Amino acid sequence: NAGVTQTPKFQVLKTGQSMTLQCAQDMNHNSMYWYRQDPGMGLRLIYYSASEGTTDKGEVPNGYNVSRLNKREFSLRLESAAPSQTSVYFCASRKDPFGQPQHFGDGTRLSIL
Amino acid sequence: GQQVMQIPQYQHVQEGEDFTTYCNSSTTLSNIQWYKQRPGGHPVFLIQLVKSGEVKKQKRLTFQFGEAKKNSSLHITATQTTDVGTYFCAGIYGGSQGNLIFGKGTKLSVKP
Repeated sequence: NAGVTQTPKFQVLKTGQSMTLQCAQDMNHNSMYWYRQDPGMGLRLIYYSASEGTTDKGEVPNGYNVSRLNKREFSLRLESAAPSQTSVYFCASRKDPFGQPQHFGDGTRLSIL
Repeated sequence: GQQVMQIPQYQHVQEGEDFTTYCNSSTTLSNIQWYKQRPGGHPVFLIQLVKSGEVKKQKRLTFQFGEAKKNSSLHITATQTTDVGTYFCAGIYGGSQGNLIFGKGTKLSVKP
């Protein structure tokens, strides 16, 4: 039982490049989330998917797009990376939208030069 | 927008000393959750508080939810080096689809 798996774990991009961060969960959870974590800023919600087939913007969605590919997978895409998007990205999942604990992946450490 | 304020940002203690972190919201919370993140790791769920005035204990950790459901605290008694990490509170507001609003965290270091 792997829980929440994120790939890649590390990535270095040049400004303007694009990439997709992958996330998959094997817990049959309905809801999935993408956060970014910057020093001293806590975790900020980028996008979420309350259930398969739906996605919604979080607190900091600009510069990102997401796809809920199926119940297991939720990807985050940077179309044109900017240095301000250098961060650690965490994917999380939860069984039901309300009141359940979130389970986090190990994170993707992304640097944009 | 809704915000959860958490203090202090950093806390350095000697092993065996107590530690407390506080969270505050300007508006009433529905629930509050607490997470721990070890250095280089990911957040791990500790506990959820739901009821006004609720107190829950996990070994040396005591969690409280205020009577007005606007504040919460985590107290660790007699810290150990294994307690090192960043502790986050995360508030849930009614009508928010249950999304978590994280505090900025308190980074705890423990000197042996």
